[in-house]
Amino acid sequence: SQQGEEDPQALSIQEGENATMNCSYKTSINNLQWYRQNSGRGLVHLILIRSNEREKHSGRLRVTLDTSKKSSSLLITASRAADTASYFCTDNAGNMLTFGGGTRLMVKP
Amino acid sequence: SQTIHQWPATLVQPVGSPLSLECTVEGTSNPNLYWYRQAAGRGLQLLFYSVGIGQISSEVPQNLSASRPQDRQFILSSKKLLLSDSGFYLCAWKGEGLGDTEAFFGQGTRLTVV
Repeated sequence: SQQGEEDPQALSIQEGENATMNCSYKTSINNLQWYRQNSGRGLVHLILIRSNEREKHSGRLRVTLDTSKKSSSLLITASRAADTASYFCTDNAGNMLTFGGGTRLMVKP
Repeated sequence: SQTIHQWPATLVQPVGSPLSLECTVEGTSNPNLYWYRQAAGRGLQLLFYSVGIGQISSEVPQNLSASRPQDRQFILSSKKLLLSDSGFYLCAWKGEGLGDTEAFFGQGTRLTVV
């Protein structure tokens, strides 16, 4: 498994605004997954996008994948204070499961 | 349904003392199991993973060891804790060899070595 690298490292927005965070990876992938971590808790799976997909939606989440650039983006629309968390990506390939440093999102009420 | 239990939630241990953190999974068989450590405000460092009973892969040489005595039990240990072992420890599992499966995480153990 190759870890993704998320950017920015930190993002602060007002409630109602959209939040965009990016993930870059280095090798070919089968799929890419995004996870969220609330402070002091374990990670929770958000969404998976397969290598043959370019865009996927789940509620207020939109994930895109550009395999030619080896990058993915996670868009959270109409953000809420409850979206405050760290967000991680991983390609979840093979037996290893590694993550980057994550994006710390703060949504101000 | 599958669940993962990790305990204790918090732990304060003196330097030089031993450590044993336990993680158990219910509702699945032959899962891949993982131990991570996370420093405050940082990413997850993969410490160990296991694809089967008695099979442990270590990603970072350190003062810690892991064991998998049963299919759904993963233990993180240390004989003598160091101050640098302080951190947030997370256990996780995912389905064997299936690239499309998501990972499930425990609630974590916050370890403070004093």
